Amino acid sequence: NAGVTQTPKFQVLKTGQSMTLQCAQDMNHEYMSWYRQDPGMGLRLIHYSVGAGITDQGEVPNGYNVSRSTTEDFPLRLLSAAPSQTSVYFCASSYIGGAGMNTEAFFGQGTRLTVV
Amino acid sequence: KQEVTQIPAALSVPEGENLVLNCSFTDSAIYNLQWFRQDPGKGLTSLLLIQSSQREQTSGRLNASLDKSSGRSTLYIAASQPGDSATYLCAVEGWGGKLIFGQGTELSVKP
Repeated sequence: NAGVTQTPKFQVLKTGQSMTLQCAQDMNHEYMSWYRQDPGMGLRLIHYSVGAGITDQGEVPNGYNVSRSTTEDFPLRLLSAAPSQTSVYFCASSYIGGAGMNTEAFFGQGTRLTVV
Repeated sequence: KQEVTQIPAALSVPEGENLVLNCSFTDSAIYNLQWFRQDPGKGLTSLLLIQSSQREQTSGRLNASLDKSSGRSTLYIAASQPGDSATYLCAVEGWGGKLIFGQGTELSVKP
């Protein structure tokens, strides 16, 4: 298993450009989520999904869109990049364990995004 | 709103010391609590997961405890080694796999 794969690893955007951060997992996990990590702010949840076709907002969703058409993929779209979106982005997945006990989260290696 | 706090923010110890990292959370309605390790420029690696019904978990030199009623968890690292140097993050999990993270403890173990 490759686990959680994020692409690209690094990206520089100009203000106003759009792009999609890709996230794929090959573990058949129901849950997937996106976080951003900023100095002094820790990791904060952007969007999450509990299964194909179901997504919802996290703590900091503004400026980002998501969709989940398959169990494996959960792309994050920046429609019009802003300098405030300069950050390191992490995708994570986990699955529903027995008796309502969820499992450990697996994280991708991150995408370092700079918006100039 | 769930808030997670980690103390201390940074810790420097000589090799061989036993150490304790602290994590507190404000809402006891959690599915589980997870401890992660993050090396500079890398992703997060899960170290231990404690389900809400459990009190502790152990893996090698690591032991994590959970007291849901008081909103506290500790990560105990025995006989620390320079290779343990990293940032340690705790996170509580709510419905849907959502994680709320603390700010982390940056650990440095000196040879």
